[in-house]
Amino acid sequence: AQKITQTQPGMFVQEKEAVTLDCTYDTSDQSYGLFWYKQPSSGEMIFLIYQGSYDEQNATEGRYSLNFQKARKSANLVISASQLGDSAMYFCAMRDPQTGANNLFFGTGTRLTVIP
Amino acid sequence: DGGITQSPKYLFRKEGQNVTLSCEQNLNHDAMYWYRQDPGQGLRLIYYSQIVNDFQKGDIAEGYSVSREKKESFPLTVTSAQKNPTAFYLCASSNGLAGALYNEQFFGPGTRLTVL
Repeated sequence: AQKITQTQPGMFVQEKEAVTLDCTYDTSDQSYGLFWYKQPSSGEMIFLIYQGSYDEQNATEGRYSLNFQKARKSANLVISASQLGDSAMYFCAMRDPQTGANNLFFGTGTRLTVIP
Repeated sequence: DGGITQSPKYLFRKEGQNVTLSCEQNLNHDAMYWYRQDPGQGLRLIYYSQIVNDFQKGDIAEGYSVSREKKESFPLTVTSAQKNPTAFYLCASSNGLAGALYNEQFFGPGTRLTVL
């Protein structure tokens, strides 16, 4: 069963504007973790932000924030003040302890293009 | 500097040949992972290892093999049994308790394998 859904294959944003990348997830567990990674054209995966299912406040890391709506099972990434260097693929991922391991389940990603 | 190295960056293989992708980390992490990424798709887990001399199959282990003889190294062999091996391969490592929600994975730069 697919655990992470990213419905936006591609997004465009004007430089200095904010953008929201959508992510919904599926789990029957109450305890889980959600991650966002950035993948530039070079290929490596860069960790951006984490949200635990029990965290009451939305996570923030610099220009990145996570809009966590537990009842809707969504964990959207908000990037404020977009920069040209933000152009990349963005992946939402989930750790579900029911798997008994530390591996992550990834969505199919959203390609963000920042327009000057 | 601490990190994960993967070699080679590009690898070409003839059909019917086995090839081995290298992954080394000096982060002193216990757990290591191999993911495969195809165009337009997210990462899929091939194998993971939580401790030396132990490893587990992921979602798409058929046609692949691994070993974990040293904490720092987790090589992946793509065998001739893998019918469609052309893909981008990412190695990752993490530290933390098995089942812990927050367990950031650090990724290497990846190896792009092409079957000729």
